[in-house]
Amino acid sequence: KAGVTQTPRYLIKTRGQQVTLSCSPISGHRSVSWYQQTPGQGLQFLFEYFSETQRNKGNFPGRFSGRQFSNSRSEMNVSTLELGDSALYLCASSPLGRGTEAFFGQGTRLTVV
Amino acid sequence: AQKVTQAQTEISVVEKEDVTLDCVYETRDTTYYLFWYKQPPSGELVFLIRRNSFDEQNEISGRYSWNFQKSTSSFNFTITASQVVDSAVYFCALSVGGSNYKLTFGKGTLLTVNP
Repeated sequence: KAGVTQTPRYLIKTRGQQVTLSCSPISGHRSVSWYQQTPGQGLQFLFEYFSETQRNKGNFPGRFSGRQFSNSRSEMNVSTLELGDSALYLCASSPLGRGTEAFFGQGTRLTVV
Repeated sequence: AQKVTQAQTEISVVEKEDVTLDCVYETRDTTYYLFWYKQPPSGELVFLIRRNSFDEQNEISGRYSWNFQKSTSSFNFTITASQVVDSAVYFCALSVGGSNYKLTFGKGTLLTVNP
């Protein structure tokens, strides 16, 4: 079974630009979550989608948004990029069920210059 | 609110030593789930174990073992006879019953196993 696939792996953007990251979950997984990892703040939850609906949202500004498609693939978008948005963005997919483990992709390393 | 504390920022051991990574959690929920993940330099978080709040049984998987104690709100992870390939950042995480897909992570422990 293929794992969680995130594209692109690396990205360099300029302040003020916007960026879209993509995540393909494990086949059959309908829940997709996004996390931001930085050296200072660690791993922080961004949002979670299930059946094309956002079910949970972390404490991030509105510049961070996402969506999920009918095939469970998900995208996250960051508008008006700031230097502080430089981070590793990790996507995770989960099967149905309470407390099931999340399976993570290798992440997208975003650098804002 | 939930909180996970991993007090050990970095640990360095010599191969074949045993090492324990500490994790203390805080939650007011009675139903919750605890996890350990490993993050090698490639960046991907690798799932290691999940425990729910109603199951305090300790678990052993090969060289890995986990000690869950609700009385002290701890979920510690021990690697026996460590190997160089165990070098990675290890994260403890918590999710609670109502939002099981939202993980609260600790800051992680960087384990370096030297040959």
